[in-house]
Amino acid sequence: RKEVEQDPGPFNVPEGATVAFNCTYSNSASQSFFWYRQDCRKEPKLLMSVYSSGNEDGRFTAQLNRASQYISLLIRDSKLSDSATYLCVTPSGGSYIPTFGRGTSLIVHP
Amino acid sequence: DVKVTQSSRYLVKRTGEKVFLECVQDMDHENMFWYRQDPGLGLRLIYFSYDVKMKEKGDIPEGYSVSREKKERFSLILESASTNQTSMYLCASSQPPRGPSPLHFGNGTRLTVT
Repeated sequence: RKEVEQDPGPFNVPEGATVAFNCTYSNSASQSFFWYRQDCRKEPKLLMSVYSSGNEDGRFTAQLNRASQYISLLIRDSKLSDSATYLCVTPSGGSYIPTFGRGTSLIVHP
Repeated sequence: DVKVTQSSRYLVKRTGEKVFLECVQDMDHENMFWYRQDPGLGLRLIYFSYDVKMKEKGDIPEGYSVSREKKERFSLILESASTNQTSMYLCASSQPPRGPSPLHFGNGTRLTVT
């Protein structure tokens, strides 16, 4: 079983919609989680860290559910510019080595 | 702002050639990583280093080696390039050593092996 799993999508939503992605992880000892955004043919860029208490940055909200071992990313009021692939990252096994999910593709259309 | 610079954006090499991919970071980060990214497979870790002259294998080290002679520079070497090494290669760095923290990526090298 892959250590970090994401639904590849694509999630196809109209502008203004609210969309949520989940990412499940297998390492129950993981302490750090991140969401990255990757535009086509570009490098991943940090979108936000995920804290135990959850965190919000403008239209973006990240949550951690330790009991079910998943993190989520909620995007409100989607913009065309939100179209990208969203990657979740957490350390694998008992190490600090970052392991990426395969990403979830989001397409926001007019 | 952290800057991670990869020496080439696009590279075309022939099968059997020795290929060097260079990566330099300017923030005195301890950890450096090399990933490759392929459609449908996501980012896969090739090698990483948490200190000068230290290196550890990632998930897919076969056919690759690395060099870290200076803290700011982490080189990926394809000893004898093969067509299945055609991919996007991404270098990243992070701080602190042996601790979880966000990665900062270079803008990638798209390598084609013909």
